[in-house]
Amino acid sequence: AQSVTQLGSHVSVSEGALVLLRCNYSSSVPPYLFWYVQYPNQGLQLLLKYTTGATLVKGINGFEAEFKKSETSFHLTKPSAHMSDAAEYFCAVSGNDYKLSFGAGTTVTVRA
Amino acid sequence: GAVVSQHPSRVICKSGTSVKIECRSLDFQATTMFWYRQFPKQSLMLMATSNEGSKATYEQGVEKDKFLINHASLTLSTLTVTSAHPEDSSFYICSAGLAEKLFFGSGTQLSVL
Repeated sequence: AQSVTQLGSHVSVSEGALVLLRCNYSSSVPPYLFWYVQYPNQGLQLLLKYTTGATLVKGINGFEAEFKKSETSFHLTKPSAHMSDAAEYFCAVSGNDYKLSFGAGTTVTVRA
Repeated sequence: GAVVSQHPSRVICKSGTSVKIECRSLDFQATTMFWYRQFPKQSLMLMATSNEGSKATYEQGVEKDKFLINHASLTLSTLTVTSAHPEDSSFYICSAGLAEKLFFGSGTQLSVL
């Protein structure tokens, strides 16, 4: 079984500041890890994913995440926040059956 | 990239009626589709896995007679909420995948009066 915990339901950052969204996972098998973004009244858009290989994963819109097995973490970062980054972000984990277990989500607001 | 179309985007119905939600993969064939449910301010919860040509696999606690899933073709899965009640009001999202690439529909907001 897999599960995800996202620390912090709401993050507020200034435009241009670092964005850091925390995600810890639990998995009985080698995990596949995902970060998704959801804009209001829309479906989920994949930001990035880790399956195997390089532990630092670069995604769209300047986001990246690092898989740290020793810490069971997959934190999402972006060096410089933009107003368009305001959205809901979900971390998710699966095994190789691709049945995703989602975290509770983190709402990001960006201050001008 | 691959696109998953979900329809309708919003539906309001009376209690006791049934509502059908469609999920289509527009430019790829999907032998497996997933149906999720999202309550306000909460995460997505997997309801069931829809398999083309066979019965859906439901997650624990999801009533299969309440949420009917039909995956009649490689590009279409439907979720029918039967005899809907206000507690069924939620945001329903489907996804379809190519290997580890999962694409999500834009979701359906169901409001049952």
